[in-house]
Amino acid sequence: EIVLTQSPATLSVSPGERATLSCRASQGISSFLAWYQQKPGQAPKLLIYDASNRATGIPARFSGSGSGTDFTLTINSLEPEDFAVYYCQHRTNWPPGLTFGGGTKVEIK
Amino acid sequence: EVQLVESGGAVVQPGGSLRLSCAASGFIFDDYTMHWVRQVPGKGLEWVSLTSWDGSSTYYGDSVKGRFTTSRDNNRNSLYLQLNNLRTEDTAVYYCVKEDREYGTGCAHWGQGTLVTVSS
Repeated sequence: EIVLTQSPATLSVSPGERATLSCRASQGISSFLAWYQQKPGQAPKLLIYDASNRATGIPARFSGSGSGTDFTLTINSLEPEDFAVYYCQHRTNWPPGLTFGGGTKVEIK
Repeated sequence: EVQLVESGGAVVQPGGSLRLSCAASGFIFDDYTMHWVRQVPGKGLEWVSLTSWDGSSTYYGDSVKGRFTTSRDNNRNSLYLQLNNLRTEDTAVYYCVKEDREYGTGCAHWGQGTLVTVSS
């Protein structure tokens, strides 16, 4: 069973600064990782797929990197609307399913 | 435009049953694997189940295995989740999620969620 561990649990950042979020997989998952943003009362929104590809309509300030077991989501020059909870996710082949990390809350410093 | 609309959430007593539905539109429903994902209010995301494009293959998370059953009706463009023997820890918002091949391992389309509350 693949476990995704996100760190930190909470990240305090000032608007305009950079946020760096980490997701570590318990075993190698190549580049098969996605990142989501979730705001209160809303469904998760796909930001990044296959580790580094931005989904349609996602601003360029969001970028993803990594492969194997260590992945990073970077948000450059944080905008007020970027304060939210972020999750990483992997699609397992066997048994088929989705695995999520525990989330990182990005809050205003 | 892809739309996923869940319904059926309610307050139910422990040990009770409930059936959730997800009405899909804006895409060829029977081309896609579908998931249910849940979220306890204020907590993280938990995968619940997967249904293959034709419903012939289903898989479940360990916490719901043997109690929940997922199915689909491709003629009605609908996905279902039957929840039996409900426990207080099943209280959560349940999301219907489309697996998007166009986005690799990512899921770009989620419903708005339906709240299930298990309480006596």
